[in-house]
Amino acid sequence: GIQVEQSPPDLILQEGANSTLRCNFSDSVNNLQWFHQNPWGQLINLFYIPSGTKQNGRLSATTVATERYSLLYISSSQTTDSGVYFCAAPDMRFGAGTRLTVKP
Amino acid sequence: DTAVSQTPKYLVTQMGNDKSIKCEQNLGHDTMYWYKQDSKKFLKIMFSYNNKELIINETVPNRFSPKSPDKAHLNLHINSLELGDSAVYFCASSQEGRTVNTEAFFGQGTRLTVV
Repeated sequence: GIQVEQSPPDLILQEGANSTLRCNFSDSVNNLQWFHQNPWGQLINLFYIPSGTKQNGRLSATTVATERYSLLYISSSQTTDSGVYFCAAPDMRFGAGTRLTVKP
Repeated sequence: DTAVSQTPKYLVTQMGNDKSIKCEQNLGHDTMYWYKQDSKKFLKIMFSYNNKELIINETVPNRFSPKSPDKAHLNLHINSLELGDSAVYFCASSQEGRTVNTEAFFGQGTRLTVV
């Protein structure tokens, strides 16, 4: 299966700061997803993004399939953004996640 | 109107017991998955089924057996439970396309505690 690497593993931000999370794949991908696992354990769909850029409020994602990576941008972070962010390859294998803590 | 639902949400049981976790999706998807999330939050895929056929079967002890009575259901049966089986188990579903799968959705998880 496709290997998925996420970076950074941990990220601590002050409220209002911006951040970029990265997902690298061992092979080219034709679709990938970003998820947010909130502190209550729910896995919430953020983006389904085979290629290009998508935006949803303060979050946006860019996938460059041929270069085998995807980026998740969080702008003006809020404490409710805290949790673990995962990306998943087309075969639904996940990276180890980025644990984000946003401090007030 | 939950898209992917798992039951039970919590399960506490003794070592050596056999238990099942049920999963149902009402999205009309043809592919379903089981994941195990350990205390370090790593989401490890265990199985996937497409139209009731086993597609992915990762290195999982054979005490774990998935059963798919129809494409809307994928149940997970665990025999002879061990302490190390304690984890959160997630079910998910997606639709397999000709070239790309559709967006996947997850259930709320089942927290299994073996004592």
